[in-house]
Parts: sequence; C-alpha cells; structure tokens
Amino acid sequence: SQKIEQNSEALNIQEGKTATLTCNYTNYSPAYLQWYRQDPGRGPVFLLLIRENEKEKRKERLKVTFDTTLKQSLFHITASQPADSATYLCALDMGLGGNTPLVFGKGTRLSVIA
Amino acid sequence: GAVVSQHPSRVICKSGTSVKIECRSLDFQATTMFWYRQFPKQSLMLMATSNEGSKATYEQGVEKDKFLINHASLTLSTLTVTSAHPEDSSFYICSASPGTSGSKETQYFGPGTRLLVL
Repeated sequence: SQKIEQNSEALNIQEGKTATLTCNYTNYSPAYLQWYRQDPGRGPVFLLLIRENEKEKRKERLKVTFDTTLKQSLFHITASQPADSATYLCALDMGLGGNTPLVFGKGTRLSVIA
Repeated sequence: GAVVSQHPSRVICKSGTSVKIECRSLDFQATTMFWYRQFPKQSLMLMATSNEGSKATYEQGVEKDKFLINHASLTLSTLTVTSAHPEDSSFYICSASPGTSGSKETQYFGPGTRLLVL
C-alpha cells in the first residue's frame, strides 16, 4: 500500500541546534517533494520544493535533501529559533502535468526551546 | 506572494444545516483549486479537485452529494457541506496554484475554515 510517514509526531530541540525532520514514502514515485510549515489553526505555508533529479535544496537556514533510492527526504533547520516552532509537513507531488494535488504526511510538531 | 483567502474562518452550526465555505485567489487566476480536510493530528486529506467551468472530481469515499463544489469563476470556488453532522466537524482548507497546465508552481493554501457541527 502507499504510505508517507514523517519520523516522529513531535520533536523538541534546544535553541541554536539543528533540527532534522524525516519523510519516508513507499509505493509512490513523486516528481517533486515539498515541505510546508503549519501553525495551529492555520493553513500550510510553502517552504521548499525539490525535484526528483535534485539532491539538495537550500533556502536561508533551511535545507532539504531528496533521495529517490531510499525514498526519503530530510528537512534541516540550522540555528533553530523558538519562532521555528510549528508543525512541518512533507508533501508528495506526482507532477502529472499542470496542477496536481499533494499527498501529505501527518507532520512533525517541532518545539524549539530557548 | 500569491494569496488565497477563505471565508468564514470559523463556523458553528446545528446538525442538519448546510454550510458554505468560500475560497478565493486574491491576486491570481486559478483554473484548478483543491479542497482538503484535516482532522486533529492528522494529515491533510484531499477531498476533491475543483475545476472552473466543469464538475469537480471527488476522491474515493467523499460523497459528492454531501460536499457540493462550485467553481464559479477563475478566482472563486465554494464548498457546501449539506445536512452537516457532528462527524463533519473538521478543518477545511483549500489551495490553488497560479500555474498553467504544464508548468510547475507551488500551491498556495487558504487559512482554513474550522467547522463545528453541534
């Protein structure tokens, strides 16, 4: 069966450390993988998109890797801050042409402790 | 960046009533919008794809007669929950992309609508 899993429901880290979140999937062949941030009671906000032929993508303190052999993406936040506390969602995009819906993981709730 | 709005942000209704939720793309046109539902501590689940000028495409297990979708224009899609029941209580989120067919644009999500059916 098709599954998309994020490594843990919750992750607590100390301010200034690097947070690493994991997204694994089975029986999907996504053309893209996206990461979103969701705050309580709000819709997801897009952070990064990585294509299947890209190994790594960076944006400021964020870094995403995509290993289609392992069927895994890692999402890193360096020099984490309390303001980074939120739920982070990974989403698979099959890229079937034009606008395609996303398949979301349950998310990992990150808490950065000052 | 592109903005998607939803109205209302929160609604409480009695069981058996119908509720309409609007999704608008404020600064771009979207031929396709998506409706998701999210239960507490769960992932966003796609309910349906809303297509401007044609019928919506529903995911398996989603009743099209219960969740009516109307994509009236390139900037507006509405979701009507008919004869709502307590189990329909959830967080409803829409998304849209400014991309045209064949292009890859990120999706922009609305702020969500919290529905509570008593």
